[in-house]
Amino acid sequence: AQSVAQPEDQVNVAEGNPLTVKCTYSVSGNPYLFWYVQYPNRGLQFLLKYITGDNLVKGSYGFEAEFNKSQTSFHLKKPSALVSDSALYFCAVRDGGSARQLTFGSGTQLTVLP
Amino acid sequence: ETGVTQTPRHLVMGMTNKKSLKCEQHLGHNAMYWYKQSAKKPLELMFVYSLEERVENNSVPSRFSPECPNSSHLFLHLHTLQPEDSALYLCASSQDNSGRPNEQFFGPGTRLTVL
Repeated sequence: AQSVAQPEDQVNVAEGNPLTVKCTYSVSGNPYLFWYVQYPNRGLQFLLKYITGDNLVKGSYGFEAEFNKSQTSFHLKKPSALVSDSALYFCAVRDGGSARQLTFGSGTQLTVLP
Repeated sequence: ETGVTQTPRHLVMGMTNKKSLKCEQHLGHNAMYWYKQSAKKPLELMFVYSLEERVENNSVPSRFSPECPNSSHLFLHLHTLQPEDSALYLCASSQDNSGRPNEQFFGPGTRLTVL
């Protein structure tokens, strides 16, 4: 079975500071990992994904994520947060060995304070 | 927006009503999905139509019934719903290549309230 955990329901950060949104996963095969963002009253938007290759993945809006196999983590990062980054962030995983569908985390609400 | 549209955006219905949610994707994808999003819970995958095959979550009650007449359109038929079915229902699509996971594109959702 595949699972994903986002240990923080809420993350607050000051504008201009670096931000990190945490994600850990559990799969039996190779993981395929995704980050999505959801703004109020909107659907989810794709940010970035890790399939294979470099552990540091760069995505939309200046976000990046680092795949760490030993820690089974895929934390989302941005060097300098903007107020407009405030939104709900979802991590998702698919087990490349056995699953055909994504499993999403419960989401982390990011608030960037001006 | 994302190329995936959903109608209606908001729906209020009684427990005895019958209604349908509609989703259309303009991206040429071959897989479509229904998700249920409730507050403080992970997204719940309800149904998948991929390469003409339907895959469903066995925990979804039979009062939800999907229909996929072609690769661009997806419906969710609702009848005899319960108040706990109130949620945001999201449609998504992706290009499903065997063994190659591609990102899903989501519609804006239908906010459903069951009275």
